[in-house]
Amino acid sequence: LAKTTQPISMDSYEGQEVNITCSHNNIATNDYITWYQQFPSQGPRFIIQGYKTKVTNEVASLFIPADRKSSTLSLPRVSLSDTAVYYCLVGDMYDYKLSFGAGTTVTVRA
Amino acid sequence: ETGVTQSPTHLIKTRGQQVTLRCSSQSGHNTVSWYQQALGQGPQFIFQYYREEENGRGNFPPRFSGLQFPNYSSELNVNALELDDSALYLCASSLAGLAGGPGRQEEQFFGPGTRLTVL
Repeated sequence: LAKTTQPISMDSYEGQEVNITCSHNNIATNDYITWYQQFPSQGPRFIIQGYKTKVTNEVASLFIPADRKSSTLSLPRVSLSDTAVYYCLVGDMYDYKLSFGAGTTVTVRA
Repeated sequence: ETGVTQSPTHLIKTRGQQVTLRCSSQSGHNTVSWYQQALGQGPQFIFQYYREEENGRGNFPPRFSGLQFPNYSSELNVNALELDDSALYLCASSLAGLAGGPGRQEEQFFGPGTRLTVL
């Protein structure tokens, strides 16, 4: 499984855009990149998934460069409720398990 | 559509005891995975059940065991509890084959977890 590296923590203010970059230098050809969000005392929640270029949904955008060795999760105009831990995962459909690292704790302040 | 539910919410046990945690998967899902999350860390995969059979296992000792029932609900059993077993235990359900295409990792839907404290 490709190892992922992401910042331990990030601070932001309401209304700002938050960008979290994840490094995955050993990503394999069949691997997808998936991001999960976790609030305290809750289970993780799927945010977005992509393979290459850019993916956007109602919650976030995911930017993946051509070499796919990194990816950036972009949260537009964050609010206090976006304070959570964000996990970057890499794997293919034959990876029956999700491999979580320590994640990035994003704190949004008023 | 009913989401993933887990019971109990909290549990306190003493070292050496046994515990059973329960999970009801999301409606229509046939696969259940269990994760252990220690404080300040990401969830760690314990094992997965698909159609009542263990489909894969993480780096956990045999005293961690599980079951999946015909209705796809699941149990996690832990024997001979140790202090380090104190953690949030998460259950996640998914539908094998939902991925819809090669290389697309299945989305897993997590329950709220059971907080286990071992004294």
